[in-house]
Amino acid sequence: QVTLKESGPALVKPTQTLTLTCTFSGFSLSTTGMRVSWIRQPPGKALEWLARIDWDDEKFYSTSLRTRLTISKDSSKNQVVLTMTNMDPVDTATYYCARMKGVGRLGGFDFWGQGTLVTVSS
Amino acid sequence: DIVMTQSPLSLPVTPGESASISCKSSQSLLFSNGYNYLDWYLQKPGQSPQLLIYLGSSRASGVPDRFSGSGSGTDFTLKISRVEAEDVGVYYCMQVLRTPYIFGQGTKLEIK
Repeated sequence: QVTLKESGPALVKPTQTLTLTCTFSGFSLSTTGMRVSWIRQPPGKALEWLARIDWDDEKFYSTSLRTRLTISKDSSKNQVVLTMTNMDPVDTATYYCARMKGVGRLGGFDFWGQGTLVTVSS
Repeated sequence: DIVMTQSPLSLPVTPGESASISCKSSQSLLFSNGYNYLDWYLQKPGQSPQLLIYLGSSRASGVPDRFSGSGSGTDFTLKISRVEAEDVGVYYCMQVLRTPYIFGQGTKLEIK
C-alpha cells in the first residue's frame, strides 16, 4: 500500500535552513505521472502548497516562497527532500508531503503523510 | 496566482440535514480537455487532509456517495447530504489547473 512519512528537525532557529525528507513506499517516482508535493499548515490556519516534483524531475514552487525553496528527489531511495532557507518564526507549521498521480487527468492528492511539526524559535 | 474563495467559513449543521460549501476561483478552472481542475479535501480534527473529490466531480476511492462535487469554470459546490457526526472538520477546495496550487481558506463544519 502507499505510505508517505515526513522527517526532519522539530525545532530550528531563525535564519537557519530547514531540510525535510519525505520517505514513501508503494509507488515509484520514476513512473510516468507520479508527483510529490509539500504542503504546510501553520497552527490553526489553512493549508498552503509549497512545491512539487514530478517523475521527469520537473519542479514547481510557491510564488511567494520560490526564492527560499528547493525540492529534489532520490528515486532509488524513494525520497523527496525539501529545503527552506532563512527560516522565520512565521514558518512554524506542520509540513506534509502528499502524492498526486496522473497525466492530463490529475487524481488529486490521494495519499498524505502524517505531517511533521516544525517550530522556528531561538 | 489564482485566488480561491470559499463560503461560508463556518457551517453549523444538524445531523441528517444537507450542507453545501461554495468555492469560487478568480480564473476558470475548465481545461481544454473538458475537466475542471478543482479538488475538495476534508481535514478531520488532528488528522492529515483526505481527498474527497477530484476534477470537480469525481469521488475519490472510499468516499461515501453522500459527498458530491459540482460546478464548472469559476463556481463550484461541495454538497454533503445527510450529514453525520464523522463529517466534522475543515473542508478545503484547491485549484490544480496550474502551479502554484492554491487552497481556499477552509470551511469549518460543526454539528449543531
